[in-house]
This record gives sequence, C-alpha cells and structure tokens, in this order.
Amino acid sequence: DVKVTQSSRYLVKRTGEKVFLECVQDMDHENMFWYRQDPGLGLRLIYFSYDVKMKEKGDIPEGYSVSREKKERFSLILESASTNQTSMYLCASSSAGTDNYGYTFGSGTRLTVV
Amino acid sequence: GENVEQHPSTLSVQEGDSAVIKCTYSDSASNYFPWYKQELGKGPQLIIDIRSNVGEKKDQRIAVTLNKTAKHFSLHITETQPEDSAVYFCAALREKLIFGAGTRLAVHP
Repeated sequence: DVKVTQSSRYLVKRTGEKVFLECVQDMDHENMFWYRQDPGLGLRLIYFSYDVKMKEKGDIPEGYSVSREKKERFSLILESASTNQTSMYLCASSSAGTDNYGYTFGSGTRLTVV
Repeated sequence: GENVEQHPSTLSVQEGDSAVIKCTYSDSASNYFPWYKQELGKGPQLIIDIRSNVGEKKDQRIAVTLNKTAKHFSLHITETQPEDSAVYFCAALREKLIFGAGTRLAVHP
C-alpha cells in the first residue's frame, strides 16, 4: 500500500525551539507539499516542492522553511516555534504526470507549542 | 490566486437521507476538482474527483457535478450511513490544490 509517512503523530514543543517535521513518501512522487489545518480555515499551503532541492512558498510561509535533499523526503522546519504555530500539519505528495493529479496525504502531526 | 468557498460548514442528516455539499471557485483556469474525506485522527483521503472536461461523475453512492460556467461543483452522497460521518473537503487545482474550509457531516442512525 502506497504511503506518506509523517514521523510524529503528536509533538509538544516550547516557544523558541527549532522544530523539525519529517515526511517520507514511497510512491516516487515528484511533488511534495506541507499544509496546516486549523478549524474553520481548511488546509492552507505552507510550502511545496516539485523536485529535489527545489522549494516554493505557499500561501502562509512566514515562520517556516523546508528542506528537500532527497526525492522521497520533505522536511518542514519551524525556526523558532511560537504558540500561533500550534496546529495540525499535513504532508502530501503527488505525481508530476498529467494522468493523475491526486494528492496522497499523511496522517498528520498535531503540534502544540507551549 | 484561486479561492475556494465551501458550504455548509456543518451538515446533519438522518441515516438513509442524501447529503449535498457545495463549493465555488474563483479561477476559471482551474482544471481538476477533488473531494477528500477526513476521519478522526487520519489524514484526508481522496474519495472522488472530476476534471474540467466532465460534467458529472459517479461512484456507487457518491457523485460529483461540475458547472464550469458558474464555477460551482458539488458532492452528493445518497443513502447515507453512519460511517459517512467525517469532515469533507473540496479543492480546486490551478497549479496546486487550494482547499475549501471543510464540511463536518454527521449521519444519525
């Protein structure tokens, strides 16, 4: 079964800490995405990547950065965690081909910043 | 950029009734419209999708319709069951997926 795996289901971090959220996909997908999910706001795109070492800002990149050193791994970095970054974080991947636009999501990481 | 609005935010139905969730999008160049179901504690899962060259698509009890002129698309679930209870998200693809705010569907036995 194809998968997007997020390394942690739950994380609790202190304000000011540097936080790494890891995502790995086994589908050989070119495209990877990081979203955050908040009640009433749906899923908002933070960063995305269409290739190794490539990254693009999404709609809410402030306070975040990303790293994609290998095709299967896409990391989200909170440089200095703040309480307003408490949220559910979802990683997704998709193929670059035009026959299948569907995104596959991981199970999410619920991050609490205290 | 693309903006997707989704209504209603909550929907409560009796088992066996139909449920309809509606979305509008702003960018006429969007060409792909998926629907995702998110159960408690899980990531969103694709349940059905439609491309801009198709007006309607059906898969057993779920169907999606697309009106490109009005920039509307809708999810229809017939003969609802308690296991249909979840949060449903619509989305539109221009260069990347933009999601609606979600609809929490509750199906009561």
